[in-house]
Amino acid sequence: QVQLTESGPGLVHPSETLSLTCTVSGFSLTGYSVYWVRQPSGKGLEWMGRMRYNGDTSYNSALKSRLSISRDTSKNQVFLKMNSLQTDDTGTYYCTRGPMYTTDYYVMDAWGQGASVTVSS
Amino acid sequence: DIQMTQSPSSMSVSLGDRVTITCRASQDIGNYLSWYQQKPEKSPKLMIYGATNLEDGVPSRFSGSRSGSDYSLTINSLESEDTGIYFCLQHKQYPFTFGSGTKLEIK
Repeated sequence: QVQLTESGPGLVHPSETLSLTCTVSGFSLTGYSVYWVRQPSGKGLEWMGRMRYNGDTSYNSALKSRLSISRDTSKNQVFLKMNSLQTDDTGTYYCTRGPMYTTDYYVMDAWGQGASVTVSS
Repeated sequence: DIQMTQSPSSMSVSLGDRVTITCRASQDIGNYLSWYQQKPEKSPKLMIYGATNLEDGVPSRFSGSRSGSDYSLTINSLESEDTGIYFCLQHKQYPFTFGSGTKLEIK
């Protein structure tokens, strides 16, 4: 059974760094991509970046200067770090599965439950 | 970035009605278009991928279509469980971009 589970602090102070972990099961990080998607409270979805099956990363240019995605395949974990957080970074952060190849149509077929993050002093 | 213009932003329809939600892409995305349903306080759920392919387990009253740069999600004979917010996603080009969402309610 494919599962993704986000974990991390629910509260981050302004200007500090957010660190989230996505722990996966039921599939291998060397066979699939993992994307990070966020959703400000009551708003739409924003693609943040991705970790490819081979370790390559891509980032949304709007966030690139603040964002870093890494992984530990031995622990089946993908990590997100984003610095200089502000109040408009408050929302729910999801990890979701993507295909090995970018030419595949089958994307974001499984999602984590989401990690709620509040940026406040 | 590719802009996905989704319409309508909300709709209130009766049970049994036919519903159509549309996304227009600002650039060519081929069939790299998916549709997701999101219930309150839940994660999005994949409904349609490759513009027209139904995800396993999704009722056959859902369908996807494409006409040029316009992509549509259609629900034939709306049921109460179909309420929620629907988003389209283009994954032809980074950054992937979502439509702004359509909130579907029962009248």
